[in-house]
Amino acid sequence: GAVVSQHPSWVICKSGTSVKIECRSLDFQATTMFWYRQFPKQSLMLMATSNEGSKATYEQGVEKDKFLINHASLTLSTLTVTSAHPEDSSFYICSASAVNLNTGELFFGEGSRLTVL
Amino acid sequence: RKEVEQDPGPFNVPEGATVAFNCTYSNSASQSFFWYRQDCRKEPKLLMSVYSSGNEDGRFTAQLNRASQYISLLIRDSKLSDSATYLCVVNAVAGTASKLTFGTGTRLQVTL
Repeated sequence: GAVVSQHPSWVICKSGTSVKIECRSLDFQATTMFWYRQFPKQSLMLMATSNEGSKATYEQGVEKDKFLINHASLTLSTLTVTSAHPEDSSFYICSASAVNLNTGELFFGEGSRLTVL
Repeated sequence: RKEVEQDPGPFNVPEGATVAFNCTYSNSASQSFFWYRQDCRKEPKLLMSVYSSGNEDGRFTAQLNRASQYISLLIRDSKLSDSATYLCVVNAVAGTASKLTFGTGTRLQVTL
């Protein structure tokens, strides 16, 4: 069964609105969660690393004021796309890790497909 | 140069065929390597890790060549259900930070 739950799966919003996506780890505590974005026929691009109780670390080129990340507990991280625009339409996927990444197995959420009109 | 490069495909093969995918990575500090599978509009799932000595899991064989910074995945006796995108994933560790970098993926379509 799924060990990481992501919600919502689909969201359509108007340009200028904000959208919040939740990522929950089930059955384990995730000290670190990752947020990725994937455009059609492209690879997953890491947006930011979310650490419980501290500020997220953003990848180069990702606007932290536009993509707000909150990791308030060991089982929940949220990504808020603020003032969304059509170019923000993408597949957003979170993943969670409880152990050293050398194990390789990141558990991914089911993804959230955002369409901004 | 991309950190992780893969041929995007698609590779169209008949059922029962053997198919191989290659992947190259640019960061020589990369320490661990993986193949993930991603079905259309779904999240990626770990297929197998790649070990220096090469490893096999049923019909799947993964190999690593550190000198050439090259990883491969071989699928024998392809099944229709193998149709998916295969992502090459590399983990580079710097200090206490680990970062997984994904290739763009190679799309496989197995046909009757």
